[in-house]
Amino acid sequence: QQQVKQSPQSLIVQKGGISIINCAYENTAFDYFPWYQQFPGKGPALLIAIRPDVSEKKEGRFTISFNKSAKQFSLHIMDSQPGDSATYFCAAIRSGSARQLTFGSGTQLTVLP
Amino acid sequence: EPEVTQTPSHQVTQMGQEVILRCVPISNHLYFYWYRQILGQKVEFLVSFYNNEISEKSEIFDDQFSVERPDGSNFTLKIRSTKLEDSAMYFCASSEARGITQYFGPGTRLLVL
Repeated sequence: QQQVKQSPQSLIVQKGGISIINCAYENTAFDYFPWYQQFPGKGPALLIAIRPDVSEKKEGRFTISFNKSAKQFSLHIMDSQPGDSATYFCAAIRSGSARQLTFGSGTQLTVLP
Repeated sequence: EPEVTQTPSHQVTQMGQEVILRCVPISNHLYFYWYRQILGQKVEFLVSFYNNEISEKSEIFDDQFSVERPDGSNFTLKIRSTKLEDSAMYFCASSEARGITQYFGPGTRLLVL
């Protein structure tokens, strides 16, 4: 019940295309859903985050869509660029906890020039 | 821009040996975390630390693991007697306050032979 399931495992997109990564969770105690971006040799870095009382959040080319009833959320990268090539992790934080992150399994995104 | 630093970047050790992984969190941060990432797998929470004590730990964080903040700047993870399955990338993270963005260090790659 603590898991966050992420798909796809890998994604190849043409430059200018839309990249979509999906996540699902079971534990309704999760109350914060961040997405992290990780480049090779670096630690994960926060990209964008959403709370479950909001259905969508947009920051530049990155949008999170959140479906509370389905317990699913997704990251959309519009106008994908080769510089977006990285591993993306969805995550969740449980209310009442020490606010540690529960990560999804990661999606390796490759944007072709 | 302030960042979390970790040393060493790579560590090779023999099974049964003790290792200490070091982290310097961002200076005004109060919450500290250790995560690990086994090659090809997701990032997993190990332990959170606040006010000089462990606030939460995962089932991975057994008696072989310990954390310490020996001074005002360092945050260490000790593995008392390493096992082959401890081979992983270990990430330190810190946050200014509970529930706020966690900033990750670049990680220490530990290889246990």
